[in-house]
Amino acid sequence: DAGVTQSPTHLIKTRGQQVTLRCSPKSGHDTVSWYQQALGQGPQFIFQYYEEEERQRGNFPDRFSGHQFPNYSSELNVNALLLGDSALYLCASSSSPGTGGVWVQETQYFGPGTRLLVL
Amino acid sequence: GENVEQHPSTLSVQEGDSAVIKCTYSDSASNYFPWYKQELGKRPQLIIDIRSNVGEKKDQRIAVTLNKTAKHFSLHITETQPEDSAVYFCAASPEGNKLVFGAGTILRVKS
Repeated sequence: DAGVTQSPTHLIKTRGQQVTLRCSPKSGHDTVSWYQQALGQGPQFIFQYYEEEERQRGNFPDRFSGHQFPNYSSELNVNALLLGDSALYLCASSSSPGTGGVWVQETQYFGPGTRLLVL
Repeated sequence: GENVEQHPSTLSVQEGDSAVIKCTYSDSASNYFPWYKQELGKRPQLIIDIRSNVGEKKDQRIAVTLNKTAKHFSLHITETQPEDSAVYFCAASPEGNKLVFGAGTILRVKS
């Protein structure tokens, strides 16, 4: 049973460039959340995808966008890169949160992350 | 929005001693509180979680307590071992599946 996977593991870009990061969720999971973890800090929520739609979004600018595919895998795109975008980007997968309008928080399992360096 | 504060930022204990990490949250709507362990260069791994309808949960040497009235929750590790050394993060879930993390605690277990 494969866990959450992410690619690439490391990436170096220059300011102004664009980057795409990829995530495959754990088998049986259909929800993907993306987090940014700056050095020495806790992860910060970027957004979450479920049923190929962005369901929730954190305090990140529109330069950060995403997509979810029918096989539940997801991409994170960042345009016009800034030095401050250098961080570890983590995706987390979970199963869909309950049914019939009853919300049940599901455990999130993290991938190994993509370390992005912007020069 | 939700704000999670975590203390202490660093904690050094002797092998075999107990370690306690405390977190407070601001949004009374938060109802799910996981704890993650992150070793250097690795992914955060869930070690224990608690939901708001439970006051305490234990899994071998690890326990978590939740005080909804005071809006704080704590991680307790007993009989610490060198392999417990890592960064520990608490988190709260105020809405949907979003997690708001604390700043982390560096735990060092000295042998």
